[in-house]
Amino acid sequence: SQTIHQWPATLVQPVGSPLSLECTVEGTSNPNLYWYRQAAGRGLQLLFYSVGIGQISSEVPQNLSASRPQDRQFILSSKKLLLSDSGFYLCAWRGRERSYEQYFGPGTRLTVT
Amino acid sequence: QKEVEQDPGPLSVPEGAIVSLNCTYSNSAFQYFMWYRQYSRKGPELLMYTYSSGNKEDGRFTAQVDKSSKYISLFIRDSQPSDSATYLCARLTGGGNKLTFGTGTQLKVEL
Repeated sequence: SQTIHQWPATLVQPVGSPLSLECTVEGTSNPNLYWYRQAAGRGLQLLFYSVGIGQISSEVPQNLSASRPQDRQFILSSKKLLLSDSGFYLCAWRGRERSYEQYFGPGTRLTVT
Repeated sequence: QKEVEQDPGPLSVPEGAIVSLNCTYSNSAFQYFMWYRQYSRKGPELLMYTYSSGNKEDGRFTAQVDKSSKYISLFIRDSQPSDSATYLCARLTGGGNKLTFGTGTQLKVEL
């Protein structure tokens, strides 16, 4: 069966510090991968998605970037965090053999102070 | 107008009640919808997905799409305290790679 991991689970970072969040998927090959952010009182917002290694599509221009160095690894980064980057970051995957359903990881709660 | 709108609640019902959760959408392209359940501080869990109009049933859950009114619903029968969570509806857009979510409805099932 497929499993999706995210780490760290929680993170407190000062303004201006760098960020690296990691997501890995097990039990599937060549998945589509997604980064979402969920801010308090708001729905999930798609940040980036990737259909393959090195292929990144950005949905919302902002202080973040994404990379996919391996087939089942997706990384979310920032060079300098802003207060507005605080939120719950969720990684999701979609298998090529399935329809369009996306499956989410446990999330990383980021607080920028 | 938001692409997907959802009443945030909170909605409080007694155990055993039938729960109706609803969303409206504004764009008619690509009629693929999903319902997720999210417990506090956890990632969303896919409950059901449905394409086009009609009903889809899975155990105590029924998803319904009404294209004419641009309305999607999730019904929960025999609700349990363990159903207490936030329910998110989502519509697939962007050629199959973008899920647009409602803000979620918080449900509490009381003993």
